[in-house]
Amino acid sequence: DGGITQSPKYLFRKEGQNVTLSCEQNLNHDAMYWYRQDPGQGLRLIYYSQIVNDFQKGDIAEGYSVSREKKESFPLTVTSAQKNPTAFYLCASTSNSLTGGEQFFGPGTRLTVL
Amino acid sequence: KNQVEQSPQSLIILEGKNCTLQCNYTVSPFSNLRWYKQDTGRGPVSLTIMTFSENTKSNGRYTATLDADTKQSSLHITASQLSDSASYICVVTPGGGFKTIFGAGTRLFVKA
Repeated sequence: DGGITQSPKYLFRKEGQNVTLSCEQNLNHDAMYWYRQDPGQGLRLIYYSQIVNDFQKGDIAEGYSVSREKKESFPLTVTSAQKNPTAFYLCASTSNSLTGGEQFFGPGTRLTVL
Repeated sequence: KNQVEQSPQSLIILEGKNCTLQCNYTVSPFSNLRWYKQDTGRGPVSLTIMTFSENTKSNGRYTATLDADTKQSSLHITASQLSDSASYICVVTPGGGFKTIFGAGTRLFVKA
């Protein structure tokens, strides 16, 4: 059963805490992405990775960190430096990042700061 | 600045009716344009893709059109169903790059 999974589905964080969102894919895709979605706004790119052991900042990387140690995994850490982290986080992957190949999205993680 | 704008922001229609969603973009050069459907609390799913040389693409009751000259696209939904209630997102990929640009989406509500 191929696809992209995210966990947890819901996550609650106290102010000052770091939390890590999981993203795993078994589609053999090279490129993976993290987006943030806020009500009434389009998806905004946080970080992306075109290949293992390499990643680049997106448009809103401040307060976030990632790693890409395995092709299948691209975890996102929301640090205490992110001042407004409450949002819906989406992970995506694609087989062809250079020509706008279809991005396959995970089910998302809803993060709420208490 | 590369932008994708969608209208209307939200739309309410009766089950069985047709509707058309609009997408205007300023992305240049242009590689392709996709429409995604996003159910509440879920990840988006691709409906259609068009390159600059295509002007229409259908997927069941969904038909997307593209006018590359005016930089406009539309998504037409025929004989709407309750399950069509979702957000529809227009996504444009610039030529020569892979950082896709997302519109804010149109929220469609289909009422019985």
